[in-house]
Amino acid sequence: EVQLQQSGAELGKPGTSVKLSCKVSGYNIRSTYMHWVNQRPGKGLEWIGRIDPANGNTIYAEKFKSKATLTADTSSNTAYMQLSQLKSDDTAIYFCAMATMMAPFDYWGQGVMVTVSS
Amino acid sequence: DIVLTQAPLSVSVTPGESASISCRSSKSLLSSKGITSLYWYLQRPGKSPQLLIYQMSNLASGVPDRFSSSGSETDFTLKISKVETEDVGVYYCGHRLEYPLTFGSGTKLEIK
Repeated sequence: EVQLQQSGAELGKPGTSVKLSCKVSGYNIRSTYMHWVNQRPGKGLEWIGRIDPANGNTIYAEKFKSKATLTADTSSNTAYMQLSQLKSDDTAIYFCAMATMMAPFDYWGQGVMVTVSS
Repeated sequence: DIVLTQAPLSVSVTPGESASISCRSSKSLLSSKGITSLYWYLQRPGKSPQLLIYQMSNLASGVPDRFSSSGSETDFTLKISKVETEDVGVYYCGHRLEYPLTFGSGTKLEIK
């Protein structure tokens, strides 16, 4: 069974960074892409970017190019996203999602709440 | 960027009746490989989204056949037959034709 386990809730101060993790079990992330999606309070889904863990290649949505940095550790089967220069507008739930041949977001993590507050 | 426009914003359905949700794309979602790159997701309250439909009309694993989807290259419809209380949540369409990936704004399904 494929499972994506995300790290716990984060509280960050404006101007600082946080690093979120997404550990995959039941599937080798070298064989897929890992995506990140956010959801601001009461809003819809927004794609942030994706990483190919096999070679580290990344693609970002334009608005997240300076905000998010995606990495992956194939030895631990874990994907990471660092959010930098936090602002109140970054307060959201962040999901990791794993692609398959069928769909870009076939499996989802449980989501992690990031709250930016001084 | 591809814009996906969903309608209606919300729908209220009596259990046992049907519901339809529309998703319109600003660009054809038919890929060069002949695959229509349209996906449907359901986000139940307080939960992560889950995949319902892939490549426009294929049911994801474990999804009841009360759900169905059809469409053309730019216009798509998700139909839920015999709605049950567990179908409550927000439905999103999305694509994988090109980057950036985008989603529709969501349609909230409520039970009367």
